[in-house]
Amino acid sequence: DIRMTQSPASLSASLGETVNIECLASEDIYSDLAWYQQKPGKSPQLLIYNANSLQNGVPSRFSGSGSGTQYSLKINSLQSEDVATYFCQQYNNYPLTFGSGTKLEIK
Amino acid sequence: QVTLKESGPGILQPSHTLSLTCSFSGFSLSTYGMGVSWIRQPSGKGLEWLASIWWNGNTYNNPSLKSRLTVSKDTSNNQAFLKVTSVDTADTATYYCAHTRFHWFAYWGQGTLVTVSS
Repeated sequence: DIRMTQSPASLSASLGETVNIECLASEDIYSDLAWYQQKPGKSPQLLIYNANSLQNGVPSRFSGSGSGTQYSLKINSLQSEDVATYFCQQYNNYPLTFGSGTKLEIK
Repeated sequence: QVTLKESGPGILQPSHTLSLTCSFSGFSLSTYGMGVSWIRQPSGKGLEWLASIWWNGNTYNNPSLKSRLTVSKDTSNNQAFLKVTSVDTADTATYYCAHTRFHWFAYWGQGTLVTVSS
């Protein structure tokens, strides 16, 4: 199985700041990576696929980058509605696997 | 507009079989490239992919659950199904179904909480 190591586990930032969340795959996943946002009590929502493609309707302050085994999600100009837990997911190989999540709070 | 909704028993006893239904609209599981996946999440924890079924009938299961999973579909009625045999307390979680293309999950249901308890 491909292991996805996500960091940090939690993050506190101020409104308007830029935050980065990292995801490290245990082997090359060739940009087969998605990012999800899960707000408290809600279902996850797709933000990014193919490592850097923005899902329709997702604000442009979200962006993804990376290649090989290292990937990141960047949130520019942090807003209060961005409080959530963020997960990465690889789909290069079965079984499909997720990172353990990053809980983002406002300072 | 794609929507999905899970339904299940809510609570069941250990060793019993869990049966879940995903009712969806806005796409067809007979269309090339379409799939439905099942993902679960214990309260306060992370996401675990369980299984996927595709337009052509192909299925993929998470081997961590060994042979306990069966996924199927009813294309005519826009439904997908998941069965989990021999449940125990570790299977207590919110279970989601999700529209799947290219192996990422673009649309999710609201989830259904399943509690395994005697």
